[in-house]
Amino acid sequence: DAGVTQSPTHLIKTRGQQVTLRCSPKSGHDTVSWYQQALGQGPQFIFQYYEEEERQRGNFPDRFSGHQFPNYSSELNVNALLLGDSALYLCASSHRAEQYFGPGTRLTVT
Amino acid sequence: GEDVEQSLFLSVREGDSSVINCTYTDSSSTYLYWYKQEPGAGLQLLTYIFSNMDMKQDQRLTVLLNKKDKHLSLRIADTQTGDSAIYFCAEKGESSGGYQKVTFGTGTKLQVIP
Repeated sequence: DAGVTQSPTHLIKTRGQQVTLRCSPKSGHDTVSWYQQALGQGPQFIFQYYEEEERQRGNFPDRFSGHQFPNYSSELNVNALLLGDSALYLCASSHRAEQYFGPGTRLTVT
Repeated sequence: GEDVEQSLFLSVREGDSSVINCTYTDSSSTYLYWYKQEPGAGLQLLTYIFSNMDMKQDQRLTVLLNKKDKHLSLRIADTQTGDSAIYFCAEKGESSGGYQKVTFGTGTKLQVIP
């Protein structure tokens, strides 16, 4: 079992651009959550997907959107990037109590 | 809203026990978690406890939960240099939509001195 995988590992974008991050959940997990972790902070919940629908959302603007595919993999899209969007983006998959994280995508906005 | 608080830093000598503390505010918490994060890496699930339990032991790790005071602790026995990392406390509670979301603390940096 490969666990939760994310791509790409690192990404550098310019202000105003758009970015798509990808996540494959752990085998047997049907729920995917996305988190943003700024330097020195704990992860902040962005949103959660289950059965291809956004089930709940944290305090993030509409520039942050996502999608879940029938195989449970997921994408996070961020439009009109701001310097403040620079962070580690973590994907987590879960089934009942257990939630496992991927290694993250480090996004740098210049 | 939900809030999870942790002390920022803990320093211990190799071989001693470490105790990392956490407090939370959400009275609807169902599960409480401890994650470990090493530099540049994602979060590793160490252990979790159901809210109706007061203790869970897993090898060198002991989790204590005081639900009345909303206080959670993680004890690491015989702390090793490889335990140096940031430890996050997190709680899963019910959000306004009826679904459960996980809220994290800001992390405790554990430094193990050889």
